[in-house]
Amino acid sequence: KQEVTQIPAALSVPEGENLVLNCSFTDSAIYNLQWFRQDPGKGLTSLLLIQSSQREQTSGRLNASLDKSSGRSTLYIAASQPGDSATYLCAVREETSGSRLTFGEGTQLTVNP
Amino acid sequence: KAGVTQTPRYLIKTRGQQVTLSCSPISGHRSVSWYQQTPGQGLQFLFEYFSETQRNKGNFPGRFSGRQFSNSRSEMNVSTLELGDSALYLCASSYRGGLGVGELFFGEGSRLTVL
Repeated sequence: KQEVTQIPAALSVPEGENLVLNCSFTDSAIYNLQWFRQDPGKGLTSLLLIQSSQREQTSGRLNASLDKSSGRSTLYIAASQPGDSATYLCAVREETSGSRLTFGEGTQLTVNP
Repeated sequence: KAGVTQTPRYLIKTRGQQVTLSCSPISGHRSVSWYQQTPGQGLQFLFEYFSETQRNKGNFPGRFSGRQFSNSRSEMNVSTLELGDSALYLCASSYRGGLGVGELFFGEGSRLTVL
């Protein structure tokens, strides 16, 4: 059974700092991995999608990497801003699971002005 | 382009009642999936529909059911509500279903409180 773990569970940083969020998964037979952010009481906003054949994806100040063989992904946020404060979730889609995503518990990020 | 629309956004029910939640996917998207989010269990997959057919189902009791209409809109129903069904129910759409599916886009969710 696929398990997704995110470390740390919570992170508080001063504005302007570069930071890394970690995601690990137990079964490397994944189809793709998707990073989301969730604001309190809201739905999920897709940030980046990495296919299993890719090593990284970039969007603005965000960069996500994927090491499928070791079961790891990282989300790098450059020059963090208070507006980045949210819960960040990673989710994997396995090769045999259709569109079913398995989510981690998330990292709650607070960026202090 | 409108995003995924879920209705109602908030609802309160009592134990034993039933509830129906609605989801309208992004225009052109044919796959709709549903997730339950609770503080204790996190995000858990309920089911996926593509072209009016259930393609995948999570590990939930039969009280949870769903369907998809010819216009790709989807509904999920929970019968005989229990306190533990209190959760944020999220709907996601994608262009294709199955292994061809790419990025999933989520709605704002329907927050169900069972008293």
